[in-house]
Amino acid sequence: AQKITQTQPGMFVQEKEAVTLDCTYDTSDPSYGLFWYKQPSSGEMIFLIYQGSYDQQNATEGRYSLNFQKARKSANLVISASQLGDSAMYFCAMIRVWDSSYKLIFGSGTRLLVRP
Amino acid sequence: EAQVTQNPRYLITVTGKKLTVTCSQNMNHEYMSWYRQDPGLGLRQIYYSMNVEVTDKGDVPEGYKVSRKEKRNFPLILESPSPNQTSLYFCASSGRVSEAFFGQGTRLTVV
Repeated sequence: AQKITQTQPGMFVQEKEAVTLDCTYDTSDPSYGLFWYKQPSSGEMIFLIYQGSYDQQNATEGRYSLNFQKARKSANLVISASQLGDSAMYFCAMIRVWDSSYKLIFGSGTRLLVRP
Repeated sequence: EAQVTQNPRYLITVTGKKLTVTCSQNMNHEYMSWYRQDPGLGLRQIYYSMNVEVTDKGDVPEGYKVSRKEKRNFPLILESPSPNQTSLYFCASSGRVSEAFFGQGTRLTVV
C-alpha cells in the first residue's frame, strides 16, 4: 500500500536560514509523482513543487527545492532563506501515475514556525 | 485566472439536515476530487470523477454523494450529516498527473 510519512510534527527555523522538511514514501509502483503543499493558517492548499519519479534532476521552484533520493524513498523539501511568511503547515503527497483516480496520498504534515 | 471555487467557505449545520458544497473549476479539467482534512490524518480522498457522469469512491466515501453533470462542476452532497463529518473539505481539479489545484476549502461543523 502507498504511504507517506512525515516524522516532524513541528519545527522551528530562524528567519533567513534554510530548513529541510522530511518526507519518506512507500510504494511498489515503478512510476509516481511527489508533491509538496503549503497550508497557511487561512486554510488554503498552495502548490509548491512537483517531482516525477523518472525526472533526472531534482525539482526547484524559487526558494523551494526537492531533495529526491529514489533509492532511499525520500523526498525532502528544502526552503532556503526562510521568511516569516513561510510559517505554515506543509504536506507531502504522492500520486500514482497510472491510477485513473488521480488520488493524492498525503502525509500528516509538518508545522513550520519561522522565528524573527 | 485558473481557479477552483468552493462554496460555502464556512458552514454550521445540524445533524440530519441535507447540505451541498459546490465546487467549480474553470480549467476544463477532466479529473476532479473531494478530500477531507482531519487533524493528524492529512487529507483523504472521498470521491473522484474522471469525466462527466463518471464518478467513483475514494478512501472515505461513507455518508457522501457526488454528481458530475457538467465538466466544470462537482458538488459534494451530505444527505444526512453527522457530527463525525465535521471537517475541512477540499475540492481539487487536475488536468495532468503533475498538477492538482485545490479550492479554498470549506470548514463544516455538524452539531
